[in-house]
Amino acid sequence: ETGVTQSPTHLIKTRGQQVTLRCSSQSGHNTVSWYQQALGQGPQFIFQYYREEENGRGNFPPRFSGLQFPNYSSELNVNALELDDSALYLCASSLRGDSYTFGSGTRLTVV
Amino acid sequence: QKEVEQNSGPLSVPEGAIASLNCTYSDRGSQSFFWYRQYSGKSPELIMSIYSNGDKEDGRFTAQLNKASQYVSLLIRDSQPSDSATYLCAHKDGGYSTLTFGKGTMLLVSP
Repeated sequence: ETGVTQSPTHLIKTRGQQVTLRCSSQSGHNTVSWYQQALGQGPQFIFQYYREEENGRGNFPPRFSGLQFPNYSSELNVNALELDDSALYLCASSLRGDSYTFGSGTRLTVV
Repeated sequence: QKEVEQNSGPLSVPEGAIASLNCTYSDRGSQSFFWYRQYSGKSPELIMSIYSNGDKEDGRFTAQLNKASQYVSLLIRDSQPSDSATYLCAHKDGGYSTLTFGKGTMLLVSP
């Protein structure tokens, strides 16, 4: 059984650019959630996908968007990057919103 | 706003002592509560979940839940230097089964 894998592990982007982060969910899990964790803060919920449909969204602007694919892997896209987007981005997978397993995260730095 | 409050710490305890971590929450509808451990630069790792009022023990860890007072706590017995980490309290939002986290409490266990 594989866990949740995220790529890339680290990324440096320039303000205004666009970025795509990827997540492969744990085998058998059909729900993927994305969280943003700024330094010194707890993870903040961005959005959640269940069977390829977004079924929940936190307080993030529309330039944060996502996709879930038939194999339940997922992408997080952020357009028009801002300095405050610098954070650890965490993907978590679950089976119908039960126990969550987190990936190791992607550290995004916007300069 | 459904919030989770934690003292940011750091909470310093000597090796072998009991560490007590506390958390309050505002959403009276919450039914599921979790404690995650997060080492610096790493992703959160689930250490305890609790759903009913009272105590739940797992090895050196005991979670306590009091829904009437809207608090949940984590006791770590025989604290070890390897327990030094940030402990995140979270509850599951009943609507979309997503997690709402506190900012975390940093625990430092000195040898």
